[in-house]
Amino acid sequence: DIQMTQSPSSLSASVGDRVTIACRASQGIGGYLNWYQQKPGKSPKLLIYAASTLQGGVPSRFSGSGSGTDFTLTISSLQPEDFATYFCQQAYTGTFGPGTKVDTK
Amino acid sequence: EVQLLESGGALVQPGGSLRLSCEASGFAFSNQLMSWVRQAPGRGLEWLSGIAPGGESTSYADSVKGRFTNSRDNSKNTLYLQMNSLRVEDTAVYYCVIDLSEWRFDPWGQGTLVTVSS
Repeated sequence: DIQMTQSPSSLSASVGDRVTIACRASQGIGGYLNWYQQKPGKSPKLLIYAASTLQGGVPSRFSGSGSGTDFTLTISSLQPEDFATYFCQQAYTGTFGPGTKVDTK
Repeated sequence: EVQLLESGGALVQPGGSLRLSCEASGFAFSNQLMSWVRQAPGRGLEWLSGIAPGGESTSYADSVKGRFTNSRDNSKNTLYLQMNSLRVEDTAVYYCVIDLSEWRFDPWGQGTLVTVSS
């Protein structure tokens, strides 16, 4: 089984900050990595697939990078609507990471 | 507008059964791969099962294999999850999702809560 880890598990940030979330796979997965955003009380939403491709309608301040085992989600300038929990997911067998909660500093 | 509306969540005793439904609208349901994903309270996400557009093939996570059955009725645009031999650890919000392929899930339904407790 491919295990996914994320770091940090939570972070505090301010509007306008640059935010980076890391995701690591227990074995190489090429570029098969998706990112989801989940706001409190809401369903998850697909942000990025294939490590770096933005899903339609996702603001360009979100970006993804990485391949193999190490991946990054970056929010270039945090907006009020971006406070949420972010999950990575390996796209080999579908396992999700434990999530990173972004809250206000 | 694409909509997925889950229903059927309830409080059930350990060992019991429950059937969840997901009514789909706004897209060609019969052409779409679908999946179920759950989220235990305060926990992460877990893919449970996928089903081919025609229902001819299904796949399951090890945690539910042999206990849960994924099915669909394309004439009713509805996805089902039959859950048997429920355990306390099956307590979660259950989501149906459109599987865009390569494990890309979008969009998600609003979820339905299943609580397994005595």
